[in-house]
Amino acid sequence: SSELTQDPAVSVALGQTVRIICQGDSLRNYYASWYQQKPGQAPVLVIYAKNKRPSGIPDRFSGSNSGNTASLTITGAQAEDEADYYCNSRHRSGDLLGWVFGGGTKLTVL
Amino acid sequence: EVQLVESGGNLVQPGGSLRLSCAASGFTFSNYEMNWVRQAPGKGLEWISYIGGSGSSIYYADSVKGRFTISRDNANNSLFLQMNTLRAEDTAVYYCARRTGTTTHDTFDIWGQGTMVTVSS
Repeated sequence: SSELTQDPAVSVALGQTVRIICQGDSLRNYYASWYQQKPGQAPVLVIYAKNKRPSGIPDRFSGSNSGNTASLTITGAQAEDEADYYCNSRHRSGDLLGWVFGGGTKLTVL
Repeated sequence: EVQLVESGGNLVQPGGSLRLSCAASGFTFSNYEMNWVRQAPGKGLEWISYIGGSGSSIYYADSVKGRFTISRDNANNSLFLQMNTLRAEDTAVYYCARRTGTTTHDTFDIWGQGTMVTVSS
């Protein structure tokens, strides 16, 4: 299967920790990346290559991978973290290469 | 500053054609593989096409195969998407995105701001 599955919505109290899950067969072979998207804006990379953060991304964002599951954890969620989060990974089927995205998780910070 | 800027989005009738462009700056464009990703209104992200640095390696999602053509002009730091036989379901914001990393650790690290394509009569 070339699909990645995410919970549609998750909520977290301000300052608490939240984990967003992504599942799919491609994650057994390729690491997930995570993107944050706020309304009307382009996606922004927040986690890649198991648990690396691009410059400028706060260290409260972390990632992990195990088997067919990838996780994005926000430790001490802030109001500005309210956004849609998408996972993605490479996918290969025979000679055909592609990339897949999860359906996205809408994070609400209460 | 590393930057991608898309252009060319417009309102087009079903069955029509459109060519999107993505201008790259702030990095050596020919060293990077590039992608197009789209997002229908209120929906999630969908990868639609990839092109290698030299342009010799190209892949498409099934949803656009045979209708869309990706290309690049490294001399002018530009990426293109020729879209033919457009359908209502192609209505979306189209983003260009730079790919970086290794085979197992790759990612889309830089994204443009997107350009809107609306297919409607």
